[in-house]
Amino acid sequence: GEDVEQSLFLSVREGDSSVINCTYTDSSSTYLYWYKQEPGAGLQLLTYIFSNMDMKQDQRLTVLLNKKDKHLSLRIADTQTGDSAIYFCAEAFSGGYNKLIFGAGTRLAVHP
Amino acid sequence: DVKVTQSSRYLVKRTGEKVFLECVQDMDHENMFWYRQDPGLGLRLIYFSYDVKMKEKGDIPEGYSVSREKKERFSLILESASTNQTSMYLCASRTSLEETQYFGPGTRLLVL
Repeated sequence: GEDVEQSLFLSVREGDSSVINCTYTDSSSTYLYWYKQEPGAGLQLLTYIFSNMDMKQDQRLTVLLNKKDKHLSLRIADTQTGDSAIYFCAEAFSGGYNKLIFGAGTRLAVHP
Repeated sequence: DVKVTQSSRYLVKRTGEKVFLECVQDMDHENMFWYRQDPGLGLRLIYFSYDVKMKEKGDIPEGYSVSREKKERFSLILESASTNQTSMYLCASRTSLEETQYFGPGTRLLVL
């Protein structure tokens, strides 16, 4: 079945790079997404990658997709305190009106 | 910019009450979704709608119903609220031409 897994916590020092990892089980996904949720807020789309791509870069964000291992990662360069949030990985399927399957979310804490 | 709004940020209701959560999007999106978010579980799909008056059950529809009388508005109804429905509820929408879902700010519901 469909399942998406993430580690629950990550702590990094300000200025370092953060790498948030995600694994998924269903290889028929079309897109894979990273959403960010700040405290008390809804989900903000950060970036996404089409399933036939290996990498996507967008300013400080780099998404890597390893289809063989069903592994997705989000790298945030020069992490700032404003990056502290919960990050959700999600995979989308072309059937079922773009059903999204979410991971449990990784809470990123950035400390001085 | 896509704008998805939810009628309340916080709600407190009593067990057995009927609860209405409203979601409005201003981008003429065909598809709308209701999720609930619980710590450690990520987001789970309750119901979605692909057109006016059309609805489909998601993964956890029990105890909920929905209404889509107008394209821009999707309502989630708790017929008789229970304490296990205390959660954060998130609405999302997307166009049929694009895979990406856009989220509202969420409604945090507490059932006493």
